[in-house]
Amino acid sequence: EDQVTQSPEALRLQEGESSSLNCSYTVSGLRGLFWYRQDPGKGPEFLFTLYSAGEEKEKERLKATLTKKESFLHITAPKPEDSATYLCAAPGAARQLTFGSGTQLTVLP
Amino acid sequence: ETGVTQSPTHLIKTRGQQVTLRCSSQSGHNTVSWYQQALGQGPQFIFQYYREEENGRGNFPPRFSGLQFPNYSSELNVNALELDDSALYLCASSPDRRREKLFFGSGTQLSVL
Repeated sequence: EDQVTQSPEALRLQEGESSSLNCSYTVSGLRGLFWYRQDPGKGPEFLFTLYSAGEEKEKERLKATLTKKESFLHITAPKPEDSATYLCAAPGAARQLTFGSGTQLTVLP
Repeated sequence: ETGVTQSPTHLIKTRGQQVTLRCSSQSGHNTVSWYQQALGQGPQFIFQYYREEENGRGNFPPRFSGLQFPNYSSELNVNALELDDSALYLCASSPDRRREKLFFGSGTQLSVL
């Protein structure tokens, strides 16, 4: 069974304090690893897709990396507006996305 | 270019009732997926529609059903509502059923009392 596990469940950072979120997966025949950002009461907003081990993608203060078994979302010098829930997901055998439970990030000013 | 829109934004129903949620896909997208997101959890796949036919289904009972229309808009119907059906229901569209990158709407928050 496809599984996506995220850690930690919640993370509180001071503004400017860098950290990383983890996403581990057991999916046969990985066809991409997706990162989304979700604000309260809103739908997930697409951030990145990674397709192969060693691949990295960046957007502003966020950088996503991928290994054969896990992905990391690195947040450098975060700001309060980076506060959100970050979800990772992988396509299953039927192409539907299997999501992790998310990491709720709070950045304090 | 308009994004994915869902209606209504909030809904309150009582146990045993039926509900219909609506979704307009992003312009140019022919595939619509529905997800259920319980509080504190990630979205769970309900089903996907491609060119008006169901193209995959998650582990949800038959009282969850759907439709896709010729303009690619979609409906999610839930019969015999249960308390555990309280959740955020998300609609997502993609340009093609083979493209896994999804564009989500803001969701419908359903409360079952």
